[in-house]
Amino acid sequence: GENVEQHPSTLSVQEGDSAVIKCTYSDSASNYFPWYKQELGKGPQLIIDIRSNVGEKKDQRIAVTLNKTAKHFSLHITETQPEDSAVYFCAAIPPRGNEKLTFGTGTRLTIIP
Amino acid sequence: DTGVSQDPRHKITKRGQNVTFRCDPISEHNRLYWYRQTLGQGPEFLTYFQNEAQLEKSRLLSDRFSAERPKGSFSTLEIQRTEQGDSAMYLCASSSTGRGTEAFFGQGTRLTVV
Repeated sequence: GENVEQHPSTLSVQEGDSAVIKCTYSDSASNYFPWYKQELGKGPQLIIDIRSNVGEKKDQRIAVTLNKTAKHFSLHITETQPEDSAVYFCAAIPPRGNEKLTFGTGTRLTIIP
Repeated sequence: DTGVSQDPRHKITKRGQNVTFRCDPISEHNRLYWYRQTLGQGPEFLTYFQNEAQLEKSRLLSDRFSAERPKGSFSTLEIQRTEQGDSAMYLCASSSTGRGTEAFFGQGTRLTVV
């Protein structure tokens, strides 16, 4: 089955700086890669996603890049703000199966004021 | 609010007791998923329904676990004879039919087995 690795597990950045979180996946046929933000005591919330026919997608301060050849994708947050502090999960959906998500192990992002 | 709703939010139970959780998905979503999340880990897939049919179960779902989705609406997840290792956050998600459609998660039910 699909396996997703995520790093770093923790990341601290100064407010206003950029944060980058990286993930690799194992199934080269996977073609949908969402990123979720999870705040304490809440369920994961989708913040951005990318499909395999696209190399980059941007939404305001958040961007995701995908390298299909290397089987890795990254989340970029620019101009970080205190409210960006949370745990971020990458995920992949393999082409076979029922659209179930395989998640990475998460990155705890802390924005230092 | 038309998001995914889970009940209860927290459950503390003694080892050996049975517990049942409920999930109300977004009304027009025909896909419903249960995931389990332990501390410091990402959610892990447990089971999937399309309408009322349970189409996939993870090997994580032992015989003590059962899930239903009568009439293709809300879903219940029951754990029989709970063990301490069952302590986790149980998350429900729903999505509509289609490739790579967004899955919306509920707030989860945090189970503590003492």
